Amino acid sequence: QKEVEQDPGPLSVPEGAIVSLNCTYSNSAFQYFMWYRQYSRKGPELLMYTYSSGNKEDGRFTAQVDKSSKYISLFIRDSQPSDSATYLCSTLGRQGAQKLVFGQGTRLTINP
Amino acid sequence: EAQVTQNPRYLITVTGKKLTVTCSQNMNHEYMSWYRQDPGLGLRQIYYSMNVEVTDKGDVPEGYKVSRKEKRNFPLILESPSPNQTSLYFCASSQIGGGSNQPQHFGDGTRLSIL
Repeated sequence: QKEVEQDPGPLSVPEGAIVSLNCTYSNSAFQYFMWYRQYSRKGPELLMYTYSSGNKEDGRFTAQVDKSSKYISLFIRDSQPSDSATYLCSTLGRQGAQKLVFGQGTRLTINP
Repeated sequence: EAQVTQNPRYLITVTGKKLTVTCSQNMNHEYMSWYRQDPGLGLRQIYYSMNVEVTDKGDVPEGYKVSRKEKRNFPLILESPSPNQTSLYFCASSQIGGGSNQPQHFGDGTRLSIL
């Protein structure tokens, strides 16, 4: 079983839609959860970072972690064509260990 | 500008011909890492380094070597490349420790094709 599972998509939605991206993880020791965004022909860049359970909001983006069900979500409100990218969820066991474990990535397209 | 620079960006080569992919960061980060990205498998860690002269295996180290002689550089070496090493490679760096987010900064990738 992969440590982090993510539906690879692809996912295509119209501009302005609310997008929900999800991952599950297997190791209850994971404490730090991140979403990276990767544009075509570029490296991943950190989008959102959450510690333990709860929600974190940054503009149109909301990251949600439910440790009881080992479920990670990213919501994008009022989606824009510029949000079209691959989104990667990842986890980190403990700060300082630096070992990131990634999901497969979900390719998202926002259609104007 | 803070960045991680990889070279080359694209390389097509043949089986068995030794190659090196360079990685350099200008942020004085202790931690550096190499990943490969393959369809359906996501990013997998090859090797990482916690500091100068300290390196360790990641999840898929077979067929690769690394060195960390200077803090800013972390080259990836393929001594005898094989077609199953055809992939998209990323170098990343970050600070270590601290009480808050220490994001990993990624380079823009090196696409290797081994024929």
